[in-house]
Amino acid sequence: GQQVMQIPQYQHVQEGEDFTTYCNSSTTLSNIQWYKQRPGGHPVFLIQLVKSGEVKKQKRLTFQFGEAKKNSSLHITATQTTDVGTYFCAGPQGGKLIFGQGTELSVKP
Amino acid sequence: DTGVSQNPRHKITKRGQNVTFRCDPISEHNRLYWYRQTLGQGPEFLTYFQNEAQLEKSRLLSDRFSAERPKGSFSTLEIQRTEQGDSAMYLCASSLTVVRLNTGELFFGEGSRLTVL
Repeated sequence: GQQVMQIPQYQHVQEGEDFTTYCNSSTTLSNIQWYKQRPGGHPVFLIQLVKSGEVKKQKRLTFQFGEAKKNSSLHITATQTTDVGTYFCAGPQGGKLIFGQGTELSVKP
Repeated sequence: DTGVSQNPRHKITKRGQNVTFRCDPISEHNRLYWYRQTLGQGPEFLTYFQNEAQLEKSRLLSDRFSAERPKGSFSTLEIQRTEQGDSAMYLCASSLTVVRLNTGELFFGEGSRLTVL
């Protein structure tokens, strides 16, 4: 079945440094979604990408969907302590979402 | 509060006991999902409903697990004869299906944490 893989599993950065997480699917995706889960919290939707090569920005966050629609990335510029949490990508399979294992971001002030 | 509501938030039980979790989705959402999450892992799909119909159940899901959504509103997830390996956070999510898309944005509840002793 479809697999969604994310790297790295953990990323520790100094506040102000940039952060990137990468997501790869074993199959072509119709779209990809990104979620953020704060420590002790539940996943919260960030964005959905649909088009091949699409790039979307939300303030310091930049999301990309690969040309082949099998990979995606999330880049955070100048991290802040509020960015701490685990970032998941998720791809649709039928009517459900398959989640990657996530990248846990810690930010040292 | 118009978000997804789950209860109980925490459940501690002894091995072999049955447990039931309830999820109240966002009222206008037609899809309801159950996921399981363990520490350091992403949410693992268990099952989902569209209105009252259960459309898919994970092949990895033991027959000790059963879910219902009798009137297309709230849902229950029951685990019979619990085992220590069932200890996890059980997350419920709902979404509003858009016809031409497979899956819309999921709105998650706070989860029900199960500990099996």
